[in-house]
Amino acid sequence: DAGVTQSPTHLIKTRGQQVTLRCSPKSGHDTVSWYQQALGQGPQFIFQYYEEEERQRGNFPDRFSGHQFPNYSSELNVNALLLGDSALYLCASSVLTDTQYFGPGTRLTVL
Amino acid sequence: EDQVTQSPEALRLQEGESSSLNCSYTVSGLRGLFWYRQDPGKGPEFLFTLYSAGEEKEKERLKATLTKKESFLHITAPKPEDSATYLCAVRRDSNYQLIWGAGTKLIIKP
Repeated sequence: DAGVTQSPTHLIKTRGQQVTLRCSPKSGHDTVSWYQQALGQGPQFIFQYYEEEERQRGNFPDRFSGHQFPNYSSELNVNALLLGDSALYLCASSVLTDTQYFGPGTRLTVL
Repeated sequence: EDQVTQSPEALRLQEGESSSLNCSYTVSGLRGLFWYRQDPGKGPEFLFTLYSAGEEKEKERLKATLTKKESFLHITAPKPEDSATYLCAVRRDSNYQLIWGAGTKLIIKP
């Protein structure tokens, strides 16, 4: 049974560019959450998608947007990248809003 | 305001030396408390979910307990492969996000 998968593994962008990160949930899971984790800190909640709708959003600007597809996979888009957006971006999937299982993450570096 | 505090920030133990990690939380209407293990540069790996005070769960050398204000992760006779950052998170009723502590970095020396 495949777990949560994310792509790409690493990404390097320059300030002002746009980036799209992708996530496929664990089999049987219908809910996807995205988190940003800076070095040495705990993850910060960006938003959660369920039934192709953003169900809840954390304290992140509108530059961060997302999408969930009918097969439950999800994308995270970040526009107008800033140096401070450099972080590990984590996707987690769950079912019935219970325990969240995480993917390996995408390391984004903004130069 | 919901808050999660983990202590200590870092813990160095000799192989076989048992100890405990602490997670203190302030949240109104706890839905669940979660423990994860995270290796450098990787995503958090789920360990335990605790739902109510008095609950305990065990897995190999790890045991998690929960009170109304804090949770402990007890590690018994640790091995070097237990070295990782251990993260605690809480979820509130009627809220979907996990609120995280900063983690405890555990180093087990052979």
